[in-house]
Amino acid sequence: QVHLVQSGAEVKKPGASVKVSCKASGYNFSSYGVSWVRQAPGQGLEWMGWISGYTGSTNYAQKFEGRVTMTRDASTGTAYMELRSLRSDDTAVYYCARDGIAVAPGHNDFWGQGTLVTVSS
Amino acid sequence: EIVMTQSPATLSVSLGERATLSCRASQFVSNYLAWYQQKPGQAPRLLIYGASTRATGIPARFSGSGSGADFTLTISSLQSEDFAVYYCQQYNNWPQAFGQGTKVEIK
Repeated sequence: QVHLVQSGAEVKKPGASVKVSCKASGYNFSSYGVSWVRQAPGQGLEWMGWISGYTGSTNYAQKFEGRVTMTRDASTGTAYMELRSLRSDDTAVYYCARDGIAVAPGHNDFWGQGTLVTVSS
Repeated sequence: EIVMTQSPATLSVSLGERATLSCRASQFVSNYLAWYQQKPGQAPRLLIYGASTRATGIPARFSGSGSGADFTLTISSLQSEDFAVYYCQQYNNWPQAFGQGTKVEIK
């Protein structure tokens, strides 16, 4: 069965960086993409970007361009999301999700458990 | 960039009643529209993709319709476990975008 397991909660100071991992299992990692979605406390879902499990190509939401980097290690089936220059309004739960296909946007059929990132001085 | 608008923000429904949720895209998205359910403290769960195809294991009381820019999620007879927040998402092109959500609460 498909599982996405994310790394644990993080507490960071403003200006720092955070890197969240997402280990996939139960499917061919290279046949799908991985999307990253975040949710601030009490707020809705916000799409951050996507990475192809096959090529490693990325698409980022304009809001995060220059501040986010998504990478993957196809040999271990793991995706990573690094967010830099953290601010207090980056406090949120960050989710990874399997994305429909490896070369185009798709629906998100399996989700990680979420990683809480808290930014506080 | 496509903006997804959901209505209403909150829907109060009694057990066993029908719930109808709307989602409108600011541009044409064909049928590349998904619906998700989210309960407090949980990750979202895929309900519908391709505007009308139920995901694996989703009960038949959930149905999706629409194409182009206007979409509807219908829950035919609300069960206690259906009270949650529902999000639509377009994936016709990047950036993918979610609506702001509709909270379905007990009347």
